Amino acid sequence: DAGVTQSPTHLIKTRGQQVTLRCSPKSGHDTVSWYQQALGQGPQFIFQYYEEEERQRGNFPDRFSGHQFPNYSSELNVNALLLGDSALYLCASSPDRFGEQFFGPGTRLTVL
Amino acid sequence: AQSVTQLGSHVSVSEGALVLLRCNYSSSVPPYLFWYVQYPNQGLQLLLKYTSAATLVKGINGFEAEFKKSETSFHLTKPSAHMSDAAEYFCAVSVFTGGGNKLTFGTGTQLKVEL
Repeated sequence: DAGVTQSPTHLIKTRGQQVTLRCSPKSGHDTVSWYQQALGQGPQFIFQYYEEEERQRGNFPDRFSGHQFPNYSSELNVNALLLGDSALYLCASSPDRFGEQFFGPGTRLTVL
Repeated sequence: AQSVTQLGSHVSVSEGALVLLRCNYSSSVPPYLFWYVQYPNQGLQLLLKYTSAATLVKGINGFEAEFKKSETSFHLTKPSAHMSDAAEYFCAVSVFTGGGNKLTFGTGTQLKVEL
């Protein structure tokens, strides 16, 4: 059984560009959450998707948006990239909105 | 608001020695608490979780944690450290809202194991 997968593994962008990160949840899971982990910090909650809708959101600007597809996979989009957006982006899936979260390996985003 | 505080950003122990990583929580409702481990350039792996059942929770790799309501603590311990335990450890609390569940993490403790 494949766990949570994320792509790409690493990504380098320049300021002002836009980026899309992808996540496939664990089999049987229908809820996807995204977290940002800056260097030396704990992960910070960005948002959670369930039934293709954003159900709750952390303290992140509108430049951060997402999408969930009918197969439960999800995308995280970040517009107008800033240097401060450089971080490890973690996706977590759970069997429902309130269930235990299983994390993927993350996507390392570097903004130059 | 629910939160966790990890005391000590860096902890160093000798191989074979006791590991103690500290976590205190703040919550107005009975909390669900977690410990995760993160190896370099990897995601988070769940070590153990407390969900209001037994207060002493056993996890993977010989780790355990005890929920102490009177002290608002959920410290992580392992009787004998192994070199492979060197990693970053995060304590987290589950925050339930009408929309779902999100994790609020501490700032992490880097564990170093020396020969």
